[in-house]
Amino acid sequence: GAGVSQTPSNKVTEKGKYVELRCDPISGHTALYWYRQSLGQGPEFLIYFQGTGAADDSGLPNDRFFAVRPEGSVSTLKIQRTERGDSAVYLCASSPRQGALTAFFGQGTRLTVV
Amino acid sequence: GESVGLHLPTLSVQEGDNSIINCAYSNSASDYFIWYKQESGKGPQFIIDIRSNMDKRQGQRVTVLLNKTVKHLSLQIAATQPGDSAVYFCAEKIGKSTFGDGTTLTVKP
Repeated sequence: GAGVSQTPSNKVTEKGKYVELRCDPISGHTALYWYRQSLGQGPEFLIYFQGTGAADDSGLPNDRFFAVRPEGSVSTLKIQRTERGDSAVYLCASSPRQGALTAFFGQGTRLTVV
Repeated sequence: GESVGLHLPTLSVQEGDNSIINCAYSNSASDYFIWYKQESGKGPQFIIDIRSNMDKRQGQRVTVLLNKTVKHLSLQIAATQPGDSAVYFCAEKIGKSTFGDGTTLTVKP
């Protein structure tokens, strides 16, 4: 597709379960970002990939959160032992190169932990 | 820490009127700003950007003004339409920058 694609669009999980959220960036984009957006708030930075490596993971809230991008394209955000406070929309964005000033966002995955 | 933020959480305007959405930032070294529009159920969408060496930039129906003296920028939307109803965020360059909580613009027919 032409844009950033995130799957699933909605995910409901039980407290304590493990979830994976997927991001397909725009083809050829080397930079990829994950954000978390709580209701009524702006996006909060989680992690930034340049190629396959996490260039900045300082926004990950704790060690239950982990993200990978093994081939420098698709990225997966993994959350272990989910808590109700993890409920939010998780946004992915990609940009064509390192140092690009803006990026294209996907529609997000709405995660609800019950 | 450094941040950008918005002055008003909500703004309601009549269709056809002009809208002005304001934003303040704290980092005097910031050299690039973006305005995003986020419709319900969608990700933020780029509207317009401005570099710190400019004080005004115009797009289609939108104008961004930057006042570095008071660290303030604004987004002006001309002839506001129902399709402009959304949450608007100002932000610095993509990455670790803070988005702020946004202004919800509601356009009344």
